[in-house]
Amino acid sequence: GGIITQTPKFLIGQEGQKLTLKCQQNFNHDTMYWYRQDSGKGLRLIYYSITENDLQKGDLSEGYDASREKKSSFSLTVTSAQKNEMAVFLCASSRQGADTQYFGPGTRLLVL
Amino acid sequence: QQKVQQSPESLSVPEGGMASLNCTSSDRNFQYFWWYRQHSGEGPKALMSIFSDGDKKEGRFTAHLNKASLHVSLHIRDSQPSDSALYFCAVSPMNYNQGKLIFGQGTKLSIKP
Repeated sequence: GGIITQTPKFLIGQEGQKLTLKCQQNFNHDTMYWYRQDSGKGLRLIYYSITENDLQKGDLSEGYDASREKKSSFSLTVTSAQKNEMAVFLCASSRQGADTQYFGPGTRLLVL
Repeated sequence: QQKVQQSPESLSVPEGGMASLNCTSSDRNFQYFWWYRQHSGEGPKALMSIFSDGDKKEGRFTAHLNKASLHVSLHIRDSQPSDSALYFCAVSPMNYNQGKLIFGQGTKLSIKP
């Protein structure tokens, strides 16, 4: 089996601040994803990457940047944190395309 | 318009009872279905996938797919308190290798002891 690690577990920032979330996977999966989940709600896709150095925008990409530095890691940057985007950010990976996705435990973002 | 509709929004079932969750795809290009479960404070975890018409059973969980109506249901028999969670339906396009999963809004299931 494998595991997805997300850091940090909690991220507290000031409004307007640039903040970075990190994700690592050891499944050797090609595809990685970033989702945002508002409290008790569904998952909204921010960015995904089908291979190293590839980036694809999801439905919620505005206000975010992403970087796939290597196959095992995928970073998400909140370019200017806003109070209305306090949420849990979930990273996932899959072998390819629309295959089963494996999720990390999430990073909870709090904007003051 | 939401590509994936789940119902009900929330559901309460007594311990030992049967829980039934529903999901419909609104796009005939999206016919492959997954069920995911998310316990509070954790990431979602895949329960099962179903791609063909009919039933698929895994332990206490049974999924039923009707491709003609693009409707899938998940039935949990002998519900346990540990089944209390948020359940997501997800769909993928028939062009399996190039698409991505589209998630529904979830059904919150509560099992009452």
